[in-house]
Amino acid sequence: QVQLVESGGDLVKPGGSLRLSCAASGFTFSDYYMTWVRQAPGKGLEWVSHISNSGYTIYYGDSVKGRFTISRDNAKNSLYLQMESLRAEDTAVYFCARRGSYNSNWNYFDYWGRGTLVTVSS
Amino acid sequence: IQLTQSPSSLSASVGDRVTITCRASQGISSYLAWYQQRPGKAPELLIYGASTLQSGVPSRFSGSGSGTDFTLTISSLQPEDFATYYCQQVNNYPLTFGGGTKVEIK
Repeated sequence: QVQLVESGGDLVKPGGSLRLSCAASGFTFSDYYMTWVRQAPGKGLEWVSHISNSGYTIYYGDSVKGRFTISRDNAKNSLYLQMESLRAEDTAVYFCARRGSYNSNWNYFDYWGRGTLVTVSS
Repeated sequence: IQLTQSPSSLSASVGDRVTITCRASQGISSYLAWYQQRPGKAPELLIYGASTLQSGVPSRFSGSGSGTDFTLTISSLQPEDFATYYCQQVNNYPLTFGGGTKVEIK
């Protein structure tokens, strides 16, 4: 069955860096676009970043553009999010998710991991 | 594209019919999805393409609408349906979610 398992969340000081990972199994990882979505404590969902199956096409949300970098290693069935210059407002649970369609017009997410908590605080 | 959900919360009883609305700031055709999120859990896809039920989702869930106005309907609320529901526009970057509708037990 499809599984997505995030890791790497931690407590980090403002201005610090962190790298999140998402290990995928149960499907052909290299066939699917992948995404990161975050949720601040008690708040709604916020899309963060999206990467094509090849890794060549990448999108970012405005709040993280220039600070976060999404990448993937298809040989390792893994998705990553490198986060730099972290701010208090980046505190959230970060979910990785799989795009449910091969069609680039349909960016909905059919499988999600359980999330990893990033806390930015001094 | 901004998505505005209403209401932000509602109280209902088991067996009730529940309707949640999602309004887009500009037309998005049928490029809308709905998710359910139970407390402490990841979101789960309910509907995509505004009205297509994801595999395995109970038929009491249905979606409708196109353009700017969309609805999610639960025909007969079950105990496991008490959760927060989010809409998402799936076609324009940045991808955006609605603010959520929390369905609570009356």
